[in-house]
Amino acid sequence: NAGVTQTPKFQVLKTGQSMTLQCAQDMNHNSMYWYRQDPGMGLRLIYYSASEGTTDKGEVPNGYNVSRLNKREFSLRLESAAPSQTSVYFCATLLIRGSYSNQPQHFGDGTRLSIL
Amino acid sequence: DQQVKQNSPSLSVQEGRISILNCDYTNSMFDYFLWYKKYPAEGPTFLISISSIKDKNEDGRFTVFLNKSAKHLSLHIVPSQPGDSAVYFCAASGDDKIIFGKGTRLHILP
Repeated sequence: NAGVTQTPKFQVLKTGQSMTLQCAQDMNHNSMYWYRQDPGMGLRLIYYSASEGTTDKGEVPNGYNVSRLNKREFSLRLESAAPSQTSVYFCATLLIRGSYSNQPQHFGDGTRLSIL
Repeated sequence: DQQVKQNSPSLSVQEGRISILNCDYTNSMFDYFLWYKKYPAEGPTFLISISSIKDKNEDGRFTVFLNKSAKHLSLHIVPSQPGDSAVYFCAASGDDKIIFGKGTRLHILP
């Protein structure tokens, strides 16, 4: 049972380099999310995809792009990495997004990204 | 503006005693509240949730209480065990949003 798989687990980039973080799920969930976690800031939503073929901005989308490649995969791209993007990135899935979101999200184990 | 607040960054509790983690919210449109637990180098995992139409939900050692009039919820862990040492995130769902608090780091002391 893989659940939510994130690759890579660790990455160090230089300022200005580009990078794509991958997320794949095998739970047949409709919605997928990208969060970043910074010390003292909790989990902040970058982008989400309510269903295959749709993507929307979250709280902190600047400097990022996303692609919902198919139902299983949701990637996050940093086109020109900046030190402020040093963070731990989590991908999450949810069965169905809606007003009554009583189902819990399922998270991957994160990608630790350092921008020098 | 912080819609979900966890005002205690950290909490230390003796093993065997009760741990109480608090969370406040501002948006009346939230209709479900969830608690997640996070160990270092792992993703958050779901712990327990409560609907806005209830005031208590219990699952083993974990109980969540909701006070809608005060817009406040709390997670009680009793008895606290060493494996409970982790960061706990409160999350509120509704109004087409899922908002997380900043987390509370719980230390269970031997």
